[in-house]
Amino acid sequence: NAGVTQTPKFRILKIGQSMTLQCTQDMNHNYMYWYRQDPGMGLKLIYYSVGAGITDKGEVPNGYNVSRSTTEDFPLRLELAAPSQTSVYFCASSYSRGNEQFFGPGTRLTVL
Amino acid sequence: SQKIEQNSEALNIQEGKTATLTCNYTNYSPAYLQWYRQDPGRGPVFLLLIRENEKEKRKERLKVTFDTTLKQSLFHITASQPADSATYLCALDDSGAGSYQLTFGKGTKLSVIP
Repeated sequence: NAGVTQTPKFRILKIGQSMTLQCTQDMNHNYMYWYRQDPGMGLKLIYYSVGAGITDKGEVPNGYNVSRSTTEDFPLRLELAAPSQTSVYFCASSYSRGNEQFFGPGTRLTVL
Repeated sequence: SQKIEQNSEALNIQEGKTATLTCNYTNYSPAYLQWYRQDPGRGPVFLLLIRENEKEKRKERLKVTFDTTLKQSLFHITASQPADSATYLCALDDSGAGSYQLTFGKGTKLSVIP
């Protein structure tokens, strides 16, 4: 099993550009999550999903959108990138709430 | 307001000693608390989960305690090794208030000195 995979690993965007961060898991987990991690800060939940077709906002959803059309994939869309979105983004999955979360390797995004 | 505080940003200990990391929380009613390890440039990796009705959990050289009265969890690494050097994150839910998503602390960076 590959676990949780994320692409790309690194990306530089200009202000106002858009992009999609990809996340795929092969563990048949229902729950998937997107976090951002800024230097010296804890992980902040952006969006999460409890199954295909069901998504909900986390603590810091502004400027982001998600969709969940399949169990495996949970892409994160950034529209009109801003410097405040410079961060490391982690995707994670779990079998259910209350279970351990499996994290991907992260995407380092810089917005200039 | 809600807070999760991990005892210090950085902790240095000698190889072979026991490292003790603290996670304190305010205004949460967690059903469980989790500990993760994060190495530089990588995603967090799950270590242990302890539920509100459990006082202690062990896994090899790791031990976690959970005191819901003190609102505190302690994470111990016995016989520490340089390979244990990493940032350790605690995370908890707030299911008592109807929120089941994890909130993470900022982490404690542990350095084990040979």
